[in-house]
Parts: sequence; structure tokens; C-alpha cells
Amino acid sequence: DIVMTQSPLSLPVTPGESASISCRSSQSLVHSNGNKYLAWYLQKPGQSPQLLIYFVSNRASGVPDRFSGSGSGTDFTLKISRMEAEDVGVYYCMQGLQTPYTFGQGTKLEIK
Amino acid sequence: EVRLVESGGGLFHPGGSLRLSCTPSGFTVTDNYLSWVRQAPGKGLEWVSVIYSGGSIYDADSVKGRFTISRDSSKNTVSLQMNSLRAEDTAVYYCVRNLGLSVDYWGQGTLVTVSS
Repeated sequence: DIVMTQSPLSLPVTPGESASISCRSSQSLVHSNGNKYLAWYLQKPGQSPQLLIYFVSNRASGVPDRFSGSGSGTDFTLKISRMEAEDVGVYYCMQGLQTPYTFGQGTKLEIK
Repeated sequence: EVRLVESGGGLFHPGGSLRLSCTPSGFTVTDNYLSWVRQAPGKGLEWVSVIYSGGSIYDADSVKGRFTISRDSSKNTVSLQMNSLRAEDTAVYYCVRNLGLSVDYWGQGTLVTVSS
């Protein structure tokens, strides 16, 4: 199984400042088709998870451009520039390269 | 508009069975891949099972041999048959379309509680 490891697990951020979350996979997420099957989700309190980023760096429809994803191979980063109050919640990375699909432990982003 | 509605959750005894249903609108189950993802109370996300458009099925080791995903093309639904329930199966179960791809959708979830 591919293990996904996120850090940090908790991240207090001052509104207006930026935040970065790291995600590391135990093996490469590059598919033979060239796509890298790494997605980022945000789960706001009391809600279902929502897709932010797919294929490492592609923003899902309606996601503000202050969210960006980067990385290659086994190391990935989600960056939130200009943190807003509505961004609080738990962020998860997920590999969709092979079953069992696996998630990181989650990073709780809160307002400082 | 794309929506997924899960149903069938509730309180069940250890060793018991139940069947969760996922009823989508706005798309056809046979043209997409549908997954079940669960979340135990206060915990993270755990992928459970998937059925691909071609009909292939894969399960997490934690549920293999106990849970079975299926679909009914005539009713346009996906189901999760859950047998031999354990306390650790207690979770909110989400139905998800095209998990991890550009237009994935999640249902609102249904809570399954396994307790004596």
C-alpha cells in the first residue's frame, strides 16, 4: 500500500498570511499516462470533503487562486496564500494512483 | 446538477448486516467510477471500496470478504452490502464520484453505528 504522510498535523495561521502543508508518498505517484495522481481536499467543520486540487497542481472548479499545489514524484505541497477565515478546516492529501486509495492523516488549519 | 444521496445508515449490532445505497442525479453510474469512503468519529478519511465504469471492483483489506460494492444500472444506484459488522466499522460513509479526478463529487454521508 502507498503510505501518505502529511506535516504538520496542526497549523495556526494569521489571516492574510500564507500557509504550506507538506505531503509525502511512500512511492512515486506518476502514472504511465504521465499524470500524477495526487489530490488535495478540504473538509470544513460539519461538511463533506471538497476537492481543491487534482493531479498535483490543477485547481478544481470554483477553487480560489490563493490555493496552489506543487510537487513531483513523492513530495507535494499545498500552499494557501492570504489565509481567510473560511479556509479553516482539515486538509487531506490523497493518492489515486492505485488501490487501496490512501489519504494522509489530515492537517488541521486554524486561525491564529 | 450533480448530487449523490446516501441512505441506509443507522444503529446496528456487531455481527449484523446492512445495505447502504447511493442514489445519484445528474449522471449515470455506469459512465463513472463510484467509491465509498468512510470517516470514523473524530478521525480521518479511509477509502473503502470502488466500482469502475467497466465493472471492476476493489476493496480495502479492512473490509475484504465482509463488504461488497455493487451497482444497479436499471435504477442508477450503487450499493454497499456490509456483513459481519464490527465496532470499528462505525463511521460516516460517503459515496464519491470519480474520487481524485477533476470533477469528483461527494454525498452528504450516512452514519453507521455498530454497537451492542
